[in-house]
Amino acid sequence: QVQLQESGPGLVKPSETLSLTCAVSGYSISSGYYWGWIRQPPGKGLEWIGSIYHSGSTYYNPSLKSRVTISVDTSKNQFSLKLSSVTAADTAVYYCARQGLGGGSPNWFDPWGQGTLVTVSS
Amino acid sequence: SYVLTQPPSVSVAPGKTARITCGGNNIGSKSVHWYQQKPGQAPVLVIYYDSDRPSGIPERFSGSNSGNTATLTISRVEAGDEADYYCQVWDSSSDPHVVFGGGTKLTVL
Repeated sequence: QVQLQESGPGLVKPSETLSLTCAVSGYSISSGYYWGWIRQPPGKGLEWIGSIYHSGSTYYNPSLKSRVTISVDTSKNQFSLKLSSVTAADTAVYYCARQGLGGGSPNWFDPWGQGTLVTVSS
Repeated sequence: SYVLTQPPSVSVAPGKTARITCGGNNIGSKSVHWYQQKPGQAPVLVIYYDSDRPSGIPERFSGSNSGNTATLTISRVEAGDEADYYCQVWDSSSDPHVVFGGGTKLTVL
């Protein structure tokens, strides 16, 4: 059974870099699939941040691309998110998820981690 | 940028059928995925590839996709189906990316 667990600071100061890690258990990242980050501001909808393949190939949300870096560490079976120059608008629950492949492209997300709340405040 | 439009809310009585729509330009040419999210919980995939159900999802959940509208149908609605539902596609444009709909709150009366 695949399980994902997000970890990282729950509080980040404005203008600093948000860093999160997603640890994967029950499945080897090197075996395939894309792996994605999604966020949800309090009381709002889902926003995709970006996805990475085990080879390191990435796709990013065009609106966040300039601030986002997603990387993968197959030796630790985990992948990470860095979001730079954060503001209060980046306050959200951040989820990681496995992303199924369809037609060679990333598609649905399943399963998801439980999510971690990151607050941007001084 | 590709946009998915969902009604903010849908209400249905227990035992009836709920239909949640997801509109997008020629969405019938894309694969649509649906998620259920209950308060305080992570989203759960309920439909992928327009109409396929992951293991463990009741047969009461079904999906369709044609033209400019995809639809998630929940038959014999139960109180436990009350949740937010999101549609999602992969937009394989010049800058490929994931798109989520704004979400629909399903209320069981």
